[in-house]
Amino acid sequence: GNSVTQMEGPVTLSEEAFLTINCTYTATGYPSLFWYVQYPGEGLQLLLKATKADDKGSNKGFEATYRKETTSFHLEKGSVQVSDSAVYFCALSSNQGGKLIFGQGTELSVKP
Amino acid sequence: GAGVSQSPSNKVTEKGKDVELRCDPISGHTALYWYRQSLGQGLEFLIYFQGNSAPDKSGLPSDRFSAERTGGSVSTLTIQRTQQEDSAVYLCASSREDRVEEPQHFGDGTRLSIL
Repeated sequence: GNSVTQMEGPVTLSEEAFLTINCTYTATGYPSLFWYVQYPGEGLQLLLKATKADDKGSNKGFEATYRKETTSFHLEKGSVQVSDSAVYFCALSSNQGGKLIFGQGTELSVKP
Repeated sequence: GAGVSQSPSNKVTEKGKDVELRCDPISGHTALYWYRQSLGQGLEFLIYFQGNSAPDKSGLPSDRFSAERTGGSVSTLTIQRTQQEDSAVYLCASSREDRVEEPQHFGDGTRLSIL
C-alpha cells in the first residue's frame, strides 16, 4: 500500500543554518506530494505541494522537488529562523479520492 | 469565518459515553475529510465525503465510529461507547474537490480525552 517515511526528529538547528528534512514515499499511480506544517498551538497548514515528477514546490523560503526516480520529496531551506520551529509533515495524496497519507512528522527546533 | 471550523475545541468524557464532533467546512468545498492525530499512530485518515457520493469509510477503526454529512456541508463524527484509546485530536479538512492535486485545508481540531 501507499506510505510515507520521514526522517525522525527532533531536529535542532541554530538560526541561519541549512535545513533538510528527508521524505520518501511508496505509491501506486501518480500521487501528489505535500508538506504541511504545524506551528505550536496551531492547526495544520499547507506549506507547499508538487503534483508531478520534477515539479518544485516552494513557499516561505522552503523548497521541495518531486523526484520520481528516487521516490523522494525532501524539504529544504537555506537559512532557518526561530519562527520556523514547528512540526513538519510530508504527505501524499493517492488516486483514491485525494485522501492524505502522512509521514510521522519531524519536529524542528531553531535556536537563536 | 473563512476557514474550517470545528467544535468543540476540547472534550473530556467518561469511558463508555458517546461523543459527537462537528465540522463546518469552507463554503463551496465539496470534499470533506476526517483524520485522527495521536501520539502512537501519528496522523491517520478516517473517512471522507465527496458531494453526493457514498463516503469512503475505509479508515474508520471500528464500528463504534460513524460520520454523516448533511446537505453537503456540515459533518458530524460520532464515537459510541468511547474507549481510552479513542483519546486523540480529531481533525477535519476540506478541499474544493476530491482530486489528487487539491490541497486540503484543516481545522484546529477537537482534542478528545477519555477518562
